[in-house]
Amino acid sequence: DSGVTQTPKHLITATGQRVTLRCSPRSGDLSVYWYQQSLDQGLQFLIQYYNGEERAKGNILERFSAQQFPDLHSELNLSSLELGDSALYFCASSGRREANEKLFFGSGTQLSVL
Amino acid sequence: GQSLEQPSEVTAVEGAIVQINCTYQTSGFYGLSWYQQHDGGAPTFLSYNALDGLEETGRFSSFLSRSDSYGYLLLQELQMKDSASYFCAVEGGFKTIFGAGTRLFVKA
Repeated sequence: DSGVTQTPKHLITATGQRVTLRCSPRSGDLSVYWYQQSLDQGLQFLIQYYNGEERAKGNILERFSAQQFPDLHSELNLSSLELGDSALYFCASSGRREANEKLFFGSGTQLSVL
Repeated sequence: GQSLEQPSEVTAVEGAIVQINCTYQTSGFYGLSWYQQHDGGAPTFLSYNALDGLEETGRFSSFLSRSDSYGYLLLQELQMKDSASYFCAVEGGFKTIFGAGTRLFVKA
């Protein structure tokens, strides 16, 4: 158990809908990362937060947004969903603002857009 | 930007040694990490190199050459349970960027 909690584990929704994925980092970790993994693909970096502030952005679509709350949990919001958004979404946490050698991953949220 | 290249697939026999290579391009570099991911599971951290040389952790070792922008993961005494995907990742400041992954098949 990595200590990172993601909910829900599975999400099935329809095109055009909006969903929210939730992540609670390990106790004491201030950095939260979001990644998207499509079938048989690598991990695509979406966005990183540190202590409530956005620190880095990757290839995150404008339909997607995220935030980190004062209690350090983070939410990834996906709107106007398309079939291609079906993927496994991982959250990871780490202790430092940068130069993090080790990320701890949650078990992921499997999103299916029908 | 940042990019990483690693082989898509490697097959080896149980008990053997296998090396998974990774080359990277990055504008900022703190270190190279390796992660293992079993089907349906989450990536788990294996090893990290910030400086040139070899880091050993049990059956797994990782090597880095910063001047060559190259690293590798060495798995010894392969076991069936090592069948998984292996990702190299570059820590380039605030971002940790992952390669596309190498799928390792271990045969009996």
